[in-house]
Amino acid sequence: AQKVTQAQTEISVVEKEDVTLDCVYETRDTTYYLFWYKQPPSGELVFLIRRNSFDEQNEISGRYSWNFQKSTSSFNFTITASQVVDSAVYFCALSEARGTASKLTFGTGTRLQVTL
Amino acid sequence: EAQVTQNPRYLITVTGKKLTVTCSQNMNHEYMSWYRQDPGLGLRQIYYSMNVEVTDKGDVPEGYKVSRKEKRNFPLILESPSPNQTSLYFCASSRDTLGSYNEQFFGPGTRLTVL
Repeated sequence: AQKVTQAQTEISVVEKEDVTLDCVYETRDTTYYLFWYKQPPSGELVFLIRRNSFDEQNEISGRYSWNFQKSTSSFNFTITASQVVDSAVYFCALSEARGTASKLTFGTGTRLQVTL
Repeated sequence: EAQVTQNPRYLITVTGKKLTVTCSQNMNHEYMSWYRQDPGLGLRQIYYSMNVEVTDKGDVPEGYKVSRKEKRNFPLILESPSPNQTSLYFCASSRDTLGSYNEQFFGPGTRLTVL
């Protein structure tokens, strides 16, 4: 069965620090998709990134970067020079598709608190 | 504006009183889904639909019903709500039929309290 583990329940950093949010997944499939979503204090869920299992290239988007390593089944998310606006709950998710069925599994989330 | 809307945003009700949470998307998406979010458990899928009249159970379907009579709408029905269904509910849609390949667009959430 597929599973996503976000072992860090809460992280607190001071503004301008770098922070890495860990995500470890389990799946039996060779084809799957990984996602990160952000949930700010206002409550909505905001899509950040999607990565398919065949693309292990790391990605950088501004202060955000993602490190996908199939060898360790990890898809970690790093925020460089964190800002107060980065304070949110971040969810990692894994999607598998088999025939006519699909399943999206979320981790339990990591709450990031960035203070001045 | 492309969006998923949910109504109501907040609801307090009593045990056993049937309720419906509506969900609508204006992106012509095939796939729609309902999740509940509980502290320490993340988001868990309740039901999903890959097309009109096609629905299937997610991880936690007990106590819920859904219908998909039109492509844009996917209401969540609680026939006899109980306190353990107190939660934050999200509706989502995706442009691929299986909802697997592309990101899901989420509604703003419905906070339900069952007394």
